[in-house]
Amino acid sequence: DGGITQSPKYLFRKEGQNVTLSCEQNLNHDAMYWYRQDPGQGLRLIYYSQIVNDFQKGDIAEGYSVSREKKESFPLTVTSAQKNPTAFYLCASSLQGRSGNTIYFGEGSWLTVV
Amino acid sequence: DQQVKQNSPSLSVQEGRISILNCDYTNSMFDYFLWYKKYPAEGPTFLISISSIKDKNEDGRFTVFLNKSAKHLSLHIVPSQPGDSAVYFCAASAGLTGGGNKLTFGTGTQLKVEL
Repeated sequence: DGGITQSPKYLFRKEGQNVTLSCEQNLNHDAMYWYRQDPGQGLRLIYYSQIVNDFQKGDIAEGYSVSREKKESFPLTVTSAQKNPTAFYLCASSLQGRSGNTIYFGEGSWLTVV
Repeated sequence: DQQVKQNSPSLSVQEGRISILNCDYTNSMFDYFLWYKKYPAEGPTFLISISSIKDKNEDGRFTVFLNKSAKHLSLHIVPSQPGDSAVYFCAASAGLTGGGNKLTFGTGTQLKVEL
């Protein structure tokens, strides 16, 4: 089945640790995105990538890093510099990275700092 | 600065009746609007979209209306069904300098369809 797979679904992190969230898509989409959702709020863009080996910061990139070495994969690292990392993280992709292309989402990953 | 606003955090409707979810935006550069449905602990599911060159788009029970002069869009669900109970997000996009696509989301409206 075509889709976007995020792993792990649930992740616990100790303060001061870096963690990496995986995102893989088999939709042959060029563009990929990472969003974050906090309770009672909308989704906010962390990073996005239009093509392999290229990515741009979104609205809340501080404390996060990404890579795009393969078209299918766009992992997100939550670093110890992220002050409030506990949130629901959503990976998404679209056919092309321009307005008018529908963005499709994965099932999300819960990150909790303990 | 909230560029996309959903001022009703919740809405309750009886089964079979019409559900109307509203969304306002401030950025006149937005040229594409989407509605997503979301269940707790799941990713948003795309429902329907509309380009800024149109004022209406219909797909089955779902219709989206766009009023550009008022910077307002709405999602109509007719007839409402219990399975429609979820959080609905309005989102808008504008082309970015150098390319790219960035969705700006509202804060969502929790729809509850009662029997």
